[in-house]
Amino acid sequence: QKEVEQDPGPLSVPEGAIVSLNCTYSNSAFQYFMWYRQYSRKGPELLMYTYSSGNKEDGRFTAQVDKSSKYISLFIRDSQPSDSATYLCAMNPGAGNNRKLIWGLGTSLAVNP
Amino acid sequence: GAVVSQHPSWVICKSGTSVKIECRSLDFQATTMFWYRQFPKQSLMLMATSNEGSKATYEQGVEKDKFLINHASLTLSTLTVTSAHPEDSSFYICSASQATETQYFGPGTRLLVL
Repeated sequence: QKEVEQDPGPLSVPEGAIVSLNCTYSNSAFQYFMWYRQYSRKGPELLMYTYSSGNKEDGRFTAQVDKSSKYISLFIRDSQPSDSATYLCAMNPGAGNNRKLIWGLGTSLAVNP
Repeated sequence: GAVVSQHPSWVICKSGTSVKIECRSLDFQATTMFWYRQFPKQSLMLMATSNEGSKATYEQGVEKDKFLINHASLTLSTLTVTSAHPEDSSFYICSASQATETQYFGPGTRLLVL
């Protein structure tokens, strides 16, 4: 079993839809959770960063962490064609791991106009 | 803030030559830099982690003599692919981290070895 599981999709939605992206993990020591967006042939861009459990909102994006279920989510409201990209979750147990991130495979999202 | 640059953005070279890729943190000091490679439609594969002034820590299966990493300053790390072969063709991406757990990525370098 991989440490981080993420459905690669592809996920296709109409413009304006609410998108839900998820990752599950097995290591209860993970404390830091990130979502990155990667456009084709570009480096990943940090979207959301959350420490421990809870919700965090930034514009149309909301990140949720449920440590009891070992489950994290990224919601995109009012999705736009420009949101079409691959979304990667990443996590880290914190101190002592030299900041190495454990990555999901990424979910490919297409938002259709 | 948190801008990372990479140079070159793409490079084509002949088999057997060496290629150097630079990674710079432009507006912050990066205590740790990471080098990844990514094949089409696959996730990021960590190659090595480097801390400024120290030797890089390579992931299992990554040849340290083939992929030379130098992290000479808090804003610059270089990856040299020595004696490159066609199977080394890939997308190489660096990232930089300051004092937090987040990593900020460069735009990537596409390497094609003929």
